Amino acid sequence: LAKTTQPISMDSYEGQEVNITCSHNNIATNDYITWYQQFPSQGPRFIIQGYKTKVTNEVASLFIPADRKSSTLSLPRVSLSDTAVYYCLVGDTNQGGKLIFGQGTELSVKP
Amino acid sequence: SQTIHQWPATLVQPVGSPLSLECTVEGTSNPNLYWYRQAAGRGLQLLFYSIGIDQISSEVPQNLSASRPQDRQFILSSKKLLLSDSGFYLCAWSREPSGANVLTFGAGSRLTVL
Repeated sequence: LAKTTQPISMDSYEGQEVNITCSHNNIATNDYITWYQQFPSQGPRFIIQGYKTKVTNEVASLFIPADRKSSTLSLPRVSLSDTAVYYCLVGDTNQGGKLIFGQGTELSVKP
Repeated sequence: SQTIHQWPATLVQPVGSPLSLECTVEGTSNPNLYWYRQAAGRGLQLLFYSIGIDQISSEVPQNLSASRPQDRQFILSSKKLLLSDSGFYLCAWSREPSGANVLTFGAGSRLTVL
């Protein structure tokens, strides 16, 4: 089972770029890497997904090295509203649908 | 478009009482369905997942159970609630068995057991 490890918390200031790294050493060949954002008392929300190299959408970029044993979520120019918990999730194709979240990274953006 | 409904939004129950949380997905067929619990504001614990109407897997042995009476309906139940069952319960659905799975979550049900 592909377990993920992330920093427990991070601090940043408005306007800065934030990079959150997730380790997933035993990722399987068919697994994708997906990042979610969660605000208090809400369900997590999809941010971005990738398999390898770099993926970019309107809110974030995802960098995945060739060995795929880690990934980095990049949030450009964060604002106060980006304060949330960010989860990295690796799909496990050998477990028939089981998706287990790690502890996530609590990002605090300060003015 | 697909939508997921989860109810009730909040629930206060005494210890030893039964529980029933319902989740329904619209706009898709044969979704994968999930129940997660979140205690103390962090950490999503996978409770149950189902990749088909007769396939429900339990992740954590406890006094909770799940059923899938219809393709797009997922119910979380308990016969006797414990104090430790308090938490934020989240239902989610996805389409792919795994791999490129993207979860879409409901709004959640906050359960307080007194």
